[in-house]
Amino acid sequence: AQKVTQAQTEISVVEKEDVTLDCVYETRDTTYYLFWYKQPPSGELVFLIRRNSFDEQNEISGRYSWNFQKSTSSFNFTITASQVVDSAVYFCALIRHGSSNTGKLIFGQGTTLQVKP
Amino acid sequence: SAVISQKPSRDICQRGTSLTIQCQVDSQVTMMFWYRQQPGQSLTLIATANQGSEATYESGFVIDKFPISRPNLTFSTLTVSNMSPEDSSIYLCSVERGTGGTGELFFGEGSRLTVL
Repeated sequence: AQKVTQAQTEISVVEKEDVTLDCVYETRDTTYYLFWYKQPPSGELVFLIRRNSFDEQNEISGRYSWNFQKSTSSFNFTITASQVVDSAVYFCALIRHGSSNTGKLIFGQGTTLQVKP
Repeated sequence: SAVISQKPSRDICQRGTSLTIQCQVDSQVTMMFWYRQQPGQSLTLIATANQGSEATYESGFVIDKFPISRPNLTFSTLTVSNMSPEDSSIYLCSVERGTGGTGELFFGEGSRLTVL
């Protein structure tokens, strides 16, 4: 069975601090995709990144960076120099490869990030 | 990217009533997905809505409780029937960008239902 665990329920930081959101996943598949989504108070989920299981290169996009390590089944997300606008719920998710799995994202429980000014 | 509009954005409903949520996409898509997010919880896929065929429901969800329509390639509705307080959730419509199950889903802003 597939499972995504975000052990951190809530994190509170002060603006400009760096923060890392943890994500650990379980799957027996060799081909899968991992995602991070942001859910601001408005409720809409905003896609942040997709990573396939064969690409373990870390990625950086502005203040955001992701560390994918298959050896530990982790896909952690770091925000550098956090800002108040980063306050949101962040979800890590997994999907199995294949057209029959289209749309079937398996989400973690989410981590609520509060960035205080 | 796809623009997804949902109506209503929020509603307060009485126990035993039914409510239909509408989802409009600005481009034609083969599949549309309905997710539920219970208070403080993660998202769970309810069903996949295909144009021209019956919706496919995930384990734990049934058509009698969550009937879905998909009359064309840009529109779908989800009805929450005979509501109880346990149905208080955010219901989100989503579509996939690209093909092949790679999962880059776009989501609407959701419909926040409170059942009294």
